[in-house]
Amino acid sequence: GENVEQHPSTLSVQEGDSAVIKCTYSDSASNYFPWYKQELGKGPQLIIDIRSNVGEKKDQRIAVTLNKTAKHFSLHITETQPEDSAVYFCAASSSGGFKTIFGAGTRLFVKA
Amino acid sequence: DGGITQSPKYLFRKEGQNVTLSCEQNLNHDAMYWYRQDPGQGLRLIYYSQIVNDFQKGDIAEGYSVSREKKESFPLTVTSAQKNPTAFYLCASSPRTGAYEQYFGPGTRLTVT
Repeated sequence: GENVEQHPSTLSVQEGDSAVIKCTYSDSASNYFPWYKQELGKGPQLIIDIRSNVGEKKDQRIAVTLNKTAKHFSLHITETQPEDSAVYFCAASSSGGFKTIFGAGTRLFVKA
Repeated sequence: DGGITQSPKYLFRKEGQNVTLSCEQNLNHDAMYWYRQDPGQGLRLIYYSQIVNDFQKGDIAEGYSVSREKKESFPLTVTSAQKNPTAFYLCASSPRTGAYEQYFGPGTRLTVT
């Protein structure tokens, strides 16, 4: 079945450094790739998304890249801050599909 | 304020009892979802609904039931048949199924002893 693999499962960085989280998807029909941030005890919230007709998208310190050929997409956070500490989920879905497939999550720690 | 609400935030039940978790949205979304999240784990889909009076099983539907009598509401019942019900339950909605952002509620933490 469809699958999204996410790495690493845990990431620890110093404040001000960059963080990169990578995902691979299996369903070639996938054309929408959102990233969610989940803080402790709360529901996930969308932080950025990208559609398959675009290779890169940026929003301030956050950027996402997509390589459709390799079925890879990545989240890049620059100038990390302690409030970036959370669990991040990548996901993939398709226009004609019913389900969104989520990665297993990456727990990011930003050390002050 | 538009959004999705879940109640209660914490719920405690004895083994063998059914329990119903509430989920309401005022976003006028057609699609709604229920996910289960275990500690340190990802999101597993329990049920989803594309439209009123319709719902489909997700990946882990056994021991759960849902209804979708109104567009705004998608309650989840955890039955006594669910072998390991203690978990964090998340409800979400989106304009339609497919390539759309999902809006999540704050979650309900269910503890069954």
